[in-house]
Amino acid sequence: DQQVKQNSPSLSVQEGRISILNCDYTNSMFDYFLWYKKYPAEGPTFLISISSIKDKNEDGRFTVFLNKSAKHLSLHIVPSQPGDSAVYFCAASGGTSGTYKYIFGTGTRLKVLA
Amino acid sequence: GAVVSQHPSRVICKSGTSVKIECRSLDFQATTMFWYRQFPKQSLMLMATSNEGSKATYEQGVEKDKFLINHASLTLSTLTVTSAHPEDSSFYICSAKGQGRPLHFGNGTRLTVT
Repeated sequence: DQQVKQNSPSLSVQEGRISILNCDYTNSMFDYFLWYKKYPAEGPTFLISISSIKDKNEDGRFTVFLNKSAKHLSLHIVPSQPGDSAVYFCAASGGTSGTYKYIFGTGTRLKVLA
Repeated sequence: GAVVSQHPSRVICKSGTSVKIECRSLDFQATTMFWYRQFPKQSLMLMATSNEGSKATYEQGVEKDKFLINHASLTLSTLTVTSAHPEDSSFYICSAKGQGRPLHFGNGTRLTVT
């Protein structure tokens, strides 16, 4: 049972445009969501997080939106840069799964074209 | 801040041998560390939760006798893959809980069992 889903395995975006990565979850008890960026053969790097009490969190070029009723979150990157090319994972935690037990999606490979 | 060091980054071993992977929190104390495994094009799967000074908690389906976890100090956790087989070949990643909810990840270990 995949509790966190990223239905788009890959995404290509032109440099300077907006990248939108989507994530859906099924467990309504999740109360904390994160996005991680991962380069090949490296560990994930934390990007941005959002608590369930908010619907938006912004950090520079990165904004995460949370729609609790739809159990959906998205990561917006604007403007996209070639260095943003990586695999992006969303993760969720909370509820009976535990505060720090993160459930990861399968990732979306973003390619930003110069 | 919040750097996690994982060693080795790559290891090749023969079937039947054991391999130890170290995970260190370099600039903070981590009472809890997590071990993940990632198969190609799949998500990060939590294997076990490692608590300093106590036994690790393993996820369902993970053999605790095969994947030995030791968390001897607040800055070091080790994962030993015992009697490794080719199907154990994978990317293993540790993470550590510091202050706040985001986890900090090591750079991972690529294990190849021949």
